[in-house]
Amino acid sequence: DAGVTQSPTHLIKTRGQHVTLRCSPISGHKSVSWYQQVLGQGPQFIFQYYEKEERGRGNFPDRFSARQFPNYSSELNVNALLLGDSALYLCASSPAFQNTGELFFGEGSRLTVL
Amino acid sequence: TQLLEQSPQFLSIQEGENLTVYCNSSSVFSSLQWYRQEPGEGPVLLVTVVTGGEVKKLKRLTFQFGDARKDSSLHITAAQPGDTGLYLCAGAGRDTGRRALTFGSGTRLQVQP
Repeated sequence: DAGVTQSPTHLIKTRGQHVTLRCSPISGHKSVSWYQQVLGQGPQFIFQYYEKEERGRGNFPDRFSARQFPNYSSELNVNALLLGDSALYLCASSPAFQNTGELFFGEGSRLTVL
Repeated sequence: TQLLEQSPQFLSIQEGENLTVYCNSSSVFSSLQWYRQEPGEGPVLLVTVVTGGEVKKLKRLTFQFGDARKDSSLHITAAQPGDTGLYLCAGAGRDTGRRALTFGSGTRLQVQP
């Protein structure tokens, strides 16, 4: 069975540009979460979506937005990129809307902002 | 704000040695997970502990959840080079309105052959 897939795996942008990252959850998983992992730190929660609705949002500016589609895939959008947005963006899926952890992560999208 | 502090941040040991990694917080968590992350990959779940005082064993890895559900430890016996990686603890809050994991900053383990 396929795991969580993310695209692109690597990308380079310049300050002020916009980026869209994509995620396909494990088949049957209805919840998708996004995390940002800056080099040398643990992942930081950005968003959680379940059944196409936002169920949680971390402490990130409005430049960050996301959505979930009817097939449960998801997109993370970041506008007006800053140098500090350079990070590994991780998508994670879980079977249901739960608060017990047990997330299944993709390999991430490595974003470099120049 | 819930925070998780991990120690040590870095650990370099020889194959066959034992080690313990700690994860501490002032907050109570409903559950705590340990993940391992290798370079270029996403974190992979190792274990979930839910009950205060719970101990779980996964081959050479032993995980313990503190009685007050504020801290956890990971003990590795006879470490092997394949254990090398970034170990992350993550807590799920008791607030049902908070649907997110809080991650520690990680312990980077290197096991030398």
